[in-house]
Parts: sequence; structure tokens; C-alpha cells
Amino acid sequence: QQQVKQSPQSLIVQKGGISIINCAYENTAFDYFPWYQQFPGKGPALLIAIRPDVSEKKEGRFTISFNKSAKQFSLHIMDSQPGDSATYFCAARTGGYQKVTFGTGTKLQVIP
Amino acid sequence: DVKVTQSSRYLVKRTGEKVFLECVQDMDHENMFWYRQDPGLGLRLIYFSYDVKMKEKGDIPEGYSVSREKKERFSLILESASTNQTSMYLCASSSNGLGRGGVDTQYFGPGTRLTVL
Repeated sequence: QQQVKQSPQSLIVQKGGISIINCAYENTAFDYFPWYQQFPGKGPALLIAIRPDVSEKKEGRFTISFNKSAKQFSLHIMDSQPGDSATYFCAARTGGYQKVTFGTGTKLQVIP
Repeated sequence: DVKVTQSSRYLVKRTGEKVFLECVQDMDHENMFWYRQDPGLGLRLIYFSYDVKMKEKGDIPEGYSVSREKKERFSLILESASTNQTSMYLCASSSNGLGRGGVDTQYFGPGTRLTVL
């Protein structure tokens, strides 16, 4: 039972281009939507996050767009750089204990 | 700086062996989690703990158990390892507001790559 669906599974983008990763959820009880970035050999680390009462959040080159009615959210990486090459996970949290459901991940490769 | 450490980076075990994976956090976090990460499947929650001696099953608890005797330490136990438990195991911790670090963030260790032969 996949509660958070993520696409694409892999993505190749030219340096300077825009990387877009999409996620969809079903559970309307989710109250917080973080994105995690994972480099090879490392654990995931929080990149950016949004709450459902906001439609967009921007931090530097990273933007989350959130569509509550469609139950979809996406990560946009502007001016993608080779250093952005990593695996990205969208996630959604319900209520107590900070329990989070993760998407299946997107492996991003930014080529020079 | 917040830190989550895992006892081993790589581990090779035989089928049927009992395996212990240990995780320690130094942030005084209430919540701790064990995930396994497999290609194409993302991170799947095995167990989590919201307090000492308290535990809850995650999405895939079969074949695993956990122990949390101290706040900073959360152990994952494979009672009888099987080849389908070959995976990357990630530990994480998070705060409800009293520990160090952001409230809404899970902090991950570097992972243990377990191979069961």
C-alpha cells in the first residue's frame, strides 16, 4: 500500500535546467510534507518542507508547489547543478510521534 | 551539531543468525525509527519508538523486533536472518520539541548495509 506515490524514478537534467519531481498522496490526514535529499553513502537529510495551508514554499533554488485539492505536491530545482545529483524523497506526516511515510525516491543526475 | 550513529556501516551474516543493529542519538530526541531502504521501494518503516521501552510497529515489522532500554539507544533485532532481509537499514530520530534540532525533522544515521548469505 503506497500512500505517497513519487515520479519519476530517475531523472537526467542538463546543468542550468529545471528538475521537477512529482508526488501524490491519498490520506487527507497528512499535515506536513517534507522533502529529503540523500547523497551516496549518507542518510537522507531534510531539504525543504511545506504545510498544506500554503501553496508554495521557496528556499534558494528549491521550490515546493502544493495543490491540496488535487492531493499533489512537487519539488522544483531551478538552475540545477551537478552538486544536486542525489536521490530525492518526498514524504508526508500524520499526527503524533513524527511518523512519516516516504515516496519511492527519484535519482537525479545533473550532467555538465 | 546533531548526530545519529549506527554501529556498523557494513555487515555480512549467515541465514538463521541473530543480528543486532544499534543506533545512538545524542540529541535527547523522544522518537526513534528504523527503516529499510531498497531500490524502487524507497524507505519503509519497520518499527518506531516514542519513548523508552515504548514501541510501535511500522509498515513491515515481520521478522524484526526492537528494543529501547535507554532514550538515546534504539536497537533493531533480526531474530533469524533471511536472505530477503538483505538491505540498507537506516535509523532516524526526531524531537517533539524538547530535544535539539528542528521539531519537524527526522535526523538519519549513515545506514548499515546488511547482506545475508
